[in-house]
Amino acid sequence: DQQVKQNSPSLSVQEGRISILNCDYTNSMFDYFLWYKKYPAEGPTFLISISSIKDKNEDGRFTVFLNKSAKHLSLHIVPSQPGDSAVYFCAATGDSNYQLIWGAGTKLIIKP
Amino acid sequence: DAGITQSPRHKVTETGTPVTLRCHQTENHRYMYWYRQDPGHGLRLIHYSYGVKDTDKGEVSDGYSVSRSKTEDFLLTLESATSSQTSVYFCAISEGRGHGYTFGSGTRLTVV
Repeated sequence: DQQVKQNSPSLSVQEGRISILNCDYTNSMFDYFLWYKKYPAEGPTFLISISSIKDKNEDGRFTVFLNKSAKHLSLHIVPSQPGDSAVYFCAATGDSNYQLIWGAGTKLIIKP
Repeated sequence: DAGITQSPRHKVTETGTPVTLRCHQTENHRYMYWYRQDPGHGLRLIHYSYGVKDTDKGEVSDGYSVSRSKTEDFLLTLESATSSQTSVYFCAISEGRGHGYTFGSGTRLTVV
């Protein structure tokens, strides 16, 4: 039973355009959501997060949108750059010990 | 990340042998986690710790044990390695809710 789902295993986007990565969740107790980026042979690195009391959080080229009624969040990257090519993981928590539940990841490929 | 190191980075071991992976942090963070990453599964939590000698199981804890005798060290032990435990193992640390996880660079374990 996957509580956090990233239904697109991969996504290809032209350099300079917008990349939109999607994530769906099923657990209504989740109240904090995070996006991580992972390069091969490295650990994931934190990108951006959002609390359930907000519907948008922005940090430079990265914006995360949260739609609680649809149990859906998305990560927008504008403009996309070659260095953005990586696997992106969505994660969520509602746990007092801060256990994160992870999606399977989406591989983003930025084409020159 | 300089604040968290995993050792060894690579290990090949034989089925049935015990294996211990080490995670060391210099950040004095309360929470430490062990994950495994496998294709199509994203990151799955094995065990986590919320303080010295305080540990709990994650979703894939069978065949694994952990110990945390000091704030800075979190050990993951495979009591009797099996081929299904061939994976990349990541350690992560966190200050708690509102803060992201910081990951180590990973340990690639192959059980032959």
